Amino acid sequence: DAKTTQPNSMESNEEEPVHLPCNHSTISGTDYIHWYRQLPSQGPEYVIHGLTSNVNNRMASLAIAEDRKSSTLILHRATLRDAAVYYCILPEGSNTGKLIFGQGTTLQVKP
Amino acid sequence: DGGITQSPKYLFRKEGQNVTLSCEQNLNHDAMYWYRQDPGQGLRLIYYSQIVNDFQKGDIAEGYSVSREKKESFPLTVTSAQKNPTAFYLCASSQGHSNQPQHFGDGTRLSIL
Repeated sequence: DAKTTQPNSMESNEEEPVHLPCNHSTISGTDYIHWYRQLPSQGPEYVIHGLTSNVNNRMASLAIAEDRKSSTLILHRATLRDAAVYYCILPEGSNTGKLIFGQGTTLQVKP
Repeated sequence: DGGITQSPKYLFRKEGQNVTLSCEQNLNHDAMYWYRQDPGQGLRLIYYSQIVNDFQKGDIAEGYSVSREKKESFPLTVTSAQKNPTAFYLCASSQGHSNQPQHFGDGTRLSIL
């Protein structure tokens, strides 16, 4: 079973910031938090990952709570191309690299 | 450009027939994965391989088989034992460490005739 909990869907207006939440209350000390997104009929795309401190890249920012039991993916200015299913994932702890996907959050971006 | 190539994009299978889905990567990644996705659902792991000539079953391996004879190739065979093969199949690769991102192909959509 997925070790994360996300809202099923969210809406945003174009050009506005989007905050996508994720709860992972059973996270262990060595679990990284990964985010992927998937557009319709395409394979998932890596977005960002982090361990403890906040992370930024060209696509998004990842804010991790101090107790690491939750995190938030931040899209600073949503575009229509950001409409996708966003998955928050904790890779399996056996160091196999296995990703366990939940249902994710479907993000709708309105013009 | 480096990446993962899956072929074909669409595939049709007759009852009782085995079919093989191709996955090739030129990223020099050690680890490769096969996932299955059903409509409206997340991905589920079928098989994975962390190194050439070695692979392990994922969560839903029954009715599938794989081989890893070359680092860049990880073909998946959907056998006649898989009773519900209609799905979207995705291949991925990574450097192998659990904290490295996985790179995905564009998928193969398999349907039953």
